[in-house]
Amino acid sequence: EIVMTQSPATLSVSPGERATLSCRASQSFSSALAWYQQKPGQAPRLLIYGASTRATGIPARFSGSGSGPEFSGSGSEFTLTISSLQSEDFAVYYCQQYYSWPLTFGGGTKVEIK
Amino acid sequence: EVQLVESGGGLVEPGGSLRLSCEASGFTFKSEWIHWVRQAPGKGLLWVSRIKTDGSSTSYADSVEGRFTVSRDNAKNTLYLQMSSLRAEDTAVYYCATTMSSLNYFDYWGQGILVTVSS
Repeated sequence: EIVMTQSPATLSVSPGERATLSCRASQSFSSALAWYQQKPGQAPRLLIYGASTRATGIPARFSGSGSGPEFSGSGSEFTLTISSLQSEDFAVYYCQQYYSWPLTFGGGTKVEIK
Repeated sequence: EVQLVESGGGLVEPGGSLRLSCEASGFTFKSEWIHWVRQAPGKGLLWVSRIKTDGSSTSYADSVEGRFTVSRDNAKNTLYLQMSSLRAEDTAVYYCATTMSSLNYFDYWGQGILVTVSS
């Protein structure tokens, strides 16, 4: 099973600032990675798939990237960047790998208002 | 518009059973794999199960294997999750989810249904 580790657990950011969220996979793969946003009492919303492709209707301030095994040795690292945080972006963010079974999610990063 | 609506949740005693339903609309239900994902209170997301378009193939997380059974009725556009031998650690919001792509990420989710296992 691929273990997904997200950091930090909580990120305090002021509106308008940049937020950088990390997701590390215990095994190497290049792009089978999705990011979701979840607000209290709501289902998750797909933001990014294929590590860097924005889902339909997702604003351009959300971007995803990934570094494959050639940069990080064992495992892979992925990043979600929110370029300029808006009030509606304060939420919990999860990464999910779909490279192998079972599908696994990271523990989440809560982005809170500083 | 794609819609997934879960029902059937509630309070059940440890060792008991419950069947969840997920009614789908807005897409060709019989053409898509459908999944169950759960979220314990205050915790992260856990993939639970999936079922193939025609119901001929299913798979489960280790934590529910042998206790949960996923099925579907394509004539009714409905997905089911039969849960038995329930444990306190099965307490969670259960979501049905799917994608219109051939890959296993989820662009459509239901609103979720709470299952509480407690005496």
